[in-house]
Amino acid sequence: EVGLVESGGGLVQPGGSLRLSCAASGFTFSSYAMSWVRQAPGKGLEWVSGISGSGVSTYYADSVRGRFTISRDNSKNTVYLQMNSLRVEDTAVYYCAKGVNTAMVSYYYMDVWGSGTTVTVSS
Amino acid sequence: QSVLTQPPSASGTPGQTVTISCSGSSSNIGSNVVNWYQQLPGTAPKLLIYSNYQRPSGVPDRFSGSKSGTSASLAISGLHSEDEADYYCAAWDDSLDVPMFGGGTKLTVL
Repeated sequence: EVGLVESGGGLVQPGGSLRLSCAASGFTFSSYAMSWVRQAPGKGLEWVSGISGSGVSTYYADSVRGRFTISRDNSKNTVYLQMNSLRVEDTAVYYCAKGVNTAMVSYYYMDVWGSGTTVTVSS
Repeated sequence: QSVLTQPPSASGTPGQTVTISCSGSSSNIGSNVVNWYQQLPGTAPKLLIYSNYQRPSGVPDRFSGSKSGTSASLAISGLHSEDEADYYCAAWDDSLDVPMFGGGTKLTVL
């Protein structure tokens, strides 16, 4: 069965760092692009970052570019989100989601989602 | 403010048909496919409609999607109480070169 399990969330002070992980199972991990999507308390979904199946291509929302770094280890079936210079407005549930092909292309969509990990940025 | 615009709320009674709109521009909906996600209370989002009107296996045919120009719609027919959820449209934006979500529509089944 296809599954995604996020971990690494927690409470961090503004300006701090956190690394999220997403462990995948049940599919050929390296064949699919992966994304991180977040949802602030009481708010809608916001796509944050994506990475191609090979890991060569990465994509970021303007709100996190330069502060967050996405990466993947295909030998461990895991995608990561390194979050630096965290701000109060980064507080959210972070979901890991699987794409439907190896690249992030114009017909991109996410067909499998994890249950999320909560990040709270507060002093 | 989202690039894709949805009404914040919608409602209907059991058995009715409800339609949720999603308005964009030539750089997103106008040139790319639209996908829809359903988020039941307290749960992760779930893919509901992809490539404008395609349904993943397991999604009832009560859910249907359409697109015309720079707008898209999600229709839910024969409304059930368990359809009460937040619904999000999404599309790739060519100007930003990333996928974008609409602001979401909270559907209430009266």
